[in-house]
Amino acid sequence: GENVEQHPSTLSVQEGDSAVIKCTYSDSASNYFPWYKQELGKRPQLIIDIRSNVGEKKDQRIAVTLNKTAKHFSLHITETQPEDSAVYFCAVPLSGGYQKVTFGTGTKLQVIP
Amino acid sequence: GAVVSQHPSRVICKSGTSVKIECRSLDFQATTMFWYRQFPKQSLMLMATSNEGSKATYEQGVEKDKFLINHASLTLSTLTVTSAHPEDSSFYICSARGGSNTEAFFGQGTRLTVV
Repeated sequence: GENVEQHPSTLSVQEGDSAVIKCTYSDSASNYFPWYKQELGKRPQLIIDIRSNVGEKKDQRIAVTLNKTAKHFSLHITETQPEDSAVYFCAVPLSGGYQKVTFGTGTKLQVIP
Repeated sequence: GAVVSQHPSRVICKSGTSVKIECRSLDFQATTMFWYRQFPKQSLMLMATSNEGSKATYEQGVEKDKFLINHASLTLSTLTVTSAHPEDSSFYICSARGGSNTEAFFGQGTRLTVV
């Protein structure tokens, strides 16, 4: 099965600074990599995803980079704001498809005003 | 994005009773739905994959006789926790997707507390 490692488990940054969260995976056939944001007691929300045919994708203050050779992908949040405080999960599909996904262990991000 | 509705959002039940949780895709047909369990401060753990009209596929370590899944239509899947015990208390979340190359959308989750 897919082995997904996510680091760090907790991250505190000052408002306005950048935050980077990294995930590594084991299945080289994986080709879809989403990131989810989960606020306390709420459902995970997809914030950005990337497919294996590109190395980077950006959406305003959020970006994801993918290194297929090294089998890792990272979430970058710039100009962090207090409302970015949440738990972030990476996910990797099993068996190279889009069906079942394995979630990373999560990163609790705290943005300090 | 698409809407997935999960009901109830919170439920408290007595030990030994059964609880049914519904997951509905409101504006698309979900060929596949997934059920996850999330303990406090932990990640989402996939319990089972539910395909419309066929038996669910359970992940290793998940008791299929305890967590009954039914996916009778393209818009509804149900998870029944049978003979619930306090250790079953958790946050249960479903997700649904319309096809193999589409994004999965999550329900709002069900907080189950077994007393």
